Amino acid sequence: DIQMTQSPSTLSASVGDRVTITCRASQSIRSWVAWYQQKPGTAPKLLIYKASSLESGVPSRFSGSGSGTEFTLTISSLQPDDFATYYCQEYNSFYSFGQGTKLEIK
Amino acid sequence: EVQLVESGGDLVQPGRSLRLSCVASGFTFDDYAMHWVRQTPEKGLEWVSGINWNGHSVYHAKSVKGRFTISRDNAKNSLYLQMNSLRAEDTALYFCAKSPLEMVGPTHFVSWGQGTQVTVSS
Repeated sequence: DIQMTQSPSTLSASVGDRVTITCRASQSIRSWVAWYQQKPGTAPKLLIYKASSLESGVPSRFSGSGSGTEFTLTISSLQPDDFATYYCQEYNSFYSFGQGTKLEIK
Repeated sequence: EVQLVESGGDLVQPGRSLRLSCVASGFTFDDYAMHWVRQTPEKGLEWVSGINWNGHSVYHAKSVKGRFTISRDNAKNSLYLQMNSLRAEDTALYFCAKSPLEMVGPTHFVSWGQGTQVTVSS
C-alpha cells in the first residue's frame, strides 16, 4: 500500500502569508494527487487534482505542483476563509490520504 | 448543484449490521462511479468502497472486504453500504463521494456528502 506523509501536521500563519504544505508518497505515483480542504463539521472540498489542476470555482491563490513522490499545495496569500485542515490523496493505486495539515491563525 | 445526503448511521453493538444510504441530486447519477470514504480523528480519511456507474463492478478496502457490500439503485439515485459483522474499529463518520468517471479507477473525488456517524460499541 502507498503511504502519504504530509508535513507539517500543524502550520501557524497570518492573513496575507504565503504557505506551502508538502506531501510525500512512499513510491512514485506520477501525478495522481488531489488536495482537499476541510472545515470542522463539513465535508472535504476538492481544491486540486492531477497534482496541479485547479478545480472549477476554487480561487487562483491555491496551486499545486510536483510529480513522482513529492507534491506541494501552495496558498499564495492567505485569506481568513483558508484556515482549515488540508489533506492530500493519491490515486495511483486505489486511494489513500495523508494525515492532514491543520492551518491555524498565528 | 450536486447534493449527496447520507443517512442510516447509528450506535450499534459489535457483530451487528447496519445499512447506510446516500441519496444524490443535481447530476445524472447513473453517469458516475460512487464511493464510500470514512473518517476518524485517529486514522484520518480512509477509502472504504467504490462502485461503477452500472453497479456491475465493486471494490472494497482490505479492512472491510467480506463484511461490507456497496450497491446502488440508479432508479432511486441512491448509493448503499451494507455493513455486517461490525467492529469497534469501524466507528467513523461515513461519507459518500462522487467520482468524475463512470468506472472506479485512478481519480479524485469531486463532491462529498456531509457524512453519517457510525458508532460500534457495546
